[in-house]
Amino acid sequence: DSGVTQTPKHLITATGQRVTLRCSPRSGDLSVYWYQQSLDQGLQFLIQYYNGEERAKGNILERFSAQQFPDLHSELNLSSLELGDSALYFCASSVPQTGDTQYFGPGTRLTVL
Amino acid sequence: GIQVEQSPPDLILQEGANSTLRCNFSDSVNNLQWFHQNPWGQLINLFYIPSGTKQNGRLSATTVATERYSLLYISSSQTTDSGVYFCAVWRAGGTSYGKLTFGQGTILTVHP
Repeated sequence: DSGVTQTPKHLITATGQRVTLRCSPRSGDLSVYWYQQSLDQGLQFLIQYYNGEERAKGNILERFSAQQFPDLHSELNLSSLELGDSALYFCASSVPQTGDTQYFGPGTRLTVL
Repeated sequence: GIQVEQSPPDLILQEGANSTLRCNFSDSVNNLQWFHQNPWGQLINLFYIPSGTKQNGRLSATTVATERYSLLYISSSQTTDSGVYFCAVWRAGGTSYGKLTFGQGTILTVHP
């Protein structure tokens, strides 16, 4: 158990819908990262937050957004969902802003029908 | 951006065999991690190894930063070692701030 929790574990929804994925980092970790794992793209970095502020952006679509709250949990919002958004979404956390070990949560498996 | 290549893409072993997985990266890095993704999809940290050698039980890893590669050794493999092994690197500066770049993984299957 990495100490990072993600909910829900599975999510099935329809095209055009909006969903919210939730992540709680390890106790004491200030950085939260979101990654997407799909069969065709592999594991890709989406976005990083540090202590409530956005720090880095990767291949995140404009239909996706995230935020980190004062209690350090984070949410990833996916809207206008398409079939191609079906993937495993991971949250990771680490202590400092950059460069240290990232610990991954169990992931949320999103299926868009 | 930085490129990460893992080899071999697939590996099939009998229980008890040893194996070596390789990770090559195209530029200098500040951080390198090895992960095991189990059949349930969970990513498990194996090593944080930007340079040098580390060992944890039957697993060990070596990173030669100057030559831009890392090796993961699995000895006396067990069926529970099956899954996908990922190498991921982080490089400071620019737009890669905070970003782990993953290789495509090595799929390991260990037969009893």
